[in-house]
Amino acid sequence: DAGVIQSPRHEVTEMGQEVTLRCKPISGHNSLFWYRQTMMRGLELLIYFNNNVPIDDSGMPEDRFSAKMPNASFSTLKIQPSEPRDSAVYFCASSVAGGPGDTQYFGPGTRLTVL
Amino acid sequence: GQQLNQSPQSMFIQEGEDVSMNCTSSSIFNTWLWYKQEPGEGPVLLIALYKAGELTSNGRLTAQFGITRKDSFLNISASIPSDVGIYFCAGLRDDKIIFGKGTRLHILP
Repeated sequence: DAGVIQSPRHEVTEMGQEVTLRCKPISGHNSLFWYRQTMMRGLELLIYFNNNVPIDDSGMPEDRFSAKMPNASFSTLKIQPSEPRDSAVYFCASSVAGGPGDTQYFGPGTRLTVL
Repeated sequence: GQQLNQSPQSMFIQEGEDVSMNCTSSSIFNTWLWYKQEPGEGPVLLIALYKAGELTSNGRLTAQFGITRKDSFLNISASIPSDVGIYFCAGLRDDKIIFGKGTRLHILP
């Protein structure tokens, strides 16, 4: 069984460019989470979806960040325009149902570097 | 805002030794989770705790939900090389999850 799939695994871009991170959750999972991990701030929940509907986006840092889940098998996290301080590892995770308390399965992450 | 203080930040131990780490907070949580992260991978859930005082084991790992609901402990017995990694605690309350900064475990040969 495939786990959570994220692409790309690495992204290097220049300040001001648009960045799109992609996630395919585990089949049959109804909840999807986007996290950001940095040395300074650790692991932070940005947003999560239940049944493709955004439930809590209070962790999204600012309007430059947006996330969508058009169907049960795909989600995107977009940063526009990107800034150097957005450099981090972005993780997507999925769970069978419910909020962050349900067992989450993390993807391998996308390492983003904004120059 | 709520914060979790995880300690120690890093540990250097000999193979075979027991390991203890903990998370504390000034806030109460309803659920405590412990994750392990290896290089280049996402965190993997090790143990989930749902009740104050609960003690749960997963192989050589044992975790406890503190009675005050403001702390949790993780112990690893008889460490082996594959225990190397970063261990994170996470606290949940009202569907809000907060992670500690992690304890980096190194095992000396």
